[in-house]
Amino acid sequence: DTGVSQNPRHKITKRGQNVTFRCDPISEHNRLYWYRQTLGQGPEFLTYFQNEAQLEKSRLLSDRFSAERPKGSFSTLEIQRTEQGDSAMYLCASSLTSTNEKLFFGSGTQLSVL
Amino acid sequence: AQRVTQPEKLLSVFKGAPVELKCNYSYSGSPELFWYVQYSRQRLQLLLRHISRESIKGFTADLNKGETSFHLKKPFAQEEDSAMYYCALTRAGGGKLIFGQGTELSVKP
Repeated sequence: DTGVSQNPRHKITKRGQNVTFRCDPISEHNRLYWYRQTLGQGPEFLTYFQNEAQLEKSRLLSDRFSAERPKGSFSTLEIQRTEQGDSAMYLCASSLTSTNEKLFFGSGTQLSVL
Repeated sequence: AQRVTQPEKLLSVFKGAPVELKCNYSYSGSPELFWYVQYSRQRLQLLLRHISRESIKGFTADLNKGETSFHLKKPFAQEEDSAMYYCALTRAGGGKLIFGQGTELSVKP
């Protein structure tokens, strides 16, 4: 499968714990996006990278959230001191800047905070 | 503020009936508009974008800048069209996509 890959598929954690998700984009894609989706809502933008540079981060995003894309390939999203309100599907997507803006999405990581 | 509004959470039609999924947006500037679709147990994927002026799976969408709308239409719905549909926008030149809340289309036999 050469699509966008996300791991893990599911994560259950206790409130207060830290979690980290990984996203592997399509190999030639230089843009990588993180979105969050809750039941009955559309994807909510969190942040995006062009190569290793983080170009934009949602102002709604708590300081507990951090994302990296150290070598311009895979990316990680970390949530520190998780809260029950963090429970959601976390989606990763990638694109080529030249095909503005066809995003290819991964299957997501479903986070449940108990 | 940039915003995409899909007023219908659920749209239910019979097979062969026309379909129109509404999308309104607010944006200061010239946005680019898209429709994304998510079929059951599949990933979110691009259906069509206004700059391509294309028809995909019989669906079309026209950007109406006066009414700030980008409604998705299909003259004869098929059962396989049942899915979640999301309208989205980005600024000209690219960047983050802003999504609407989504409309679930249910096509009954």
